[in-house]
Amino acid sequence: DIQMTQSPSTLSASVGDRVTITCRASQSISRWLAWYQLKPGKAPKLLIYQASNLERGVPSRFSGSGSGPEFTLTISSLQPDDFATYYCQQYRSYWTFGQGTKVEIK
Amino acid sequence: QVQLQESGPGLVKPSETLSLTCTVSGGSVSSGSYYWSWIRQPPGKGLEWIGYIYYSGSTNYNPSLKSRVTISVDTSRNQFSLRLNSVTAADTAMFYCARAHYDSSGLIFQYWGQGTLVTVSS
Repeated sequence: DIQMTQSPSTLSASVGDRVTITCRASQSISRWLAWYQLKPGKAPKLLIYQASNLERGVPSRFSGSGSGPEFTLTISSLQPDDFATYYCQQYRSYWTFGQGTKVEIK
Repeated sequence: QVQLQESGPGLVKPSETLSLTCTVSGGSVSSGSYYWSWIRQPPGKGLEWIGYIYYSGSTNYNPSLKSRVTISVDTSRNQFSLRLNSVTAADTAMFYCARAHYDSSGLIFQYWGQGTLVTVSS
């Protein structure tokens, strides 16, 4: 199994901050990585696929980068709607998710 | 816009079978190219892919759950379903249904339901 490790597990930030979340795979996954946003009571949302491709309708303040084992999700200017938990998911071999990063209000 | 909605009992007794249904609107489960999936999240833990079904009826399950899982599709009702046998407290989780498609190498989950919490307890 490919294990996905996210850091940090919790991140405290303010509106307008630049936020970066890291996801590391236990082996190379090329660029087969997606990012999702989860909020309580709402349907999870696909943000990014193939490491850096923005899903249609997702604000441009979200961006992804990386390849091989290490990836980042960046929110360039945090907005009130962005306080949520973010998960990475590899799709190189079966489909496994990271443990999540909760972005909370500072 | 595709929408998915999970339904089923919120409480299941240990050793019994958990059964959930996902109703799809704004799209058809008979469409090719899509894989109708189940994903779960135990309280305080990460997401775990359970399995998927293709409209043809072919399935693929997480090896860790394969012996206990059945996913089926009902094209006449535009629904797909999950059955998980012999449940224990470790199966308590938020269960999500999702529509996935293959992006070159593997599945990405483009549309999700809001999730339904299932608690296993006597």
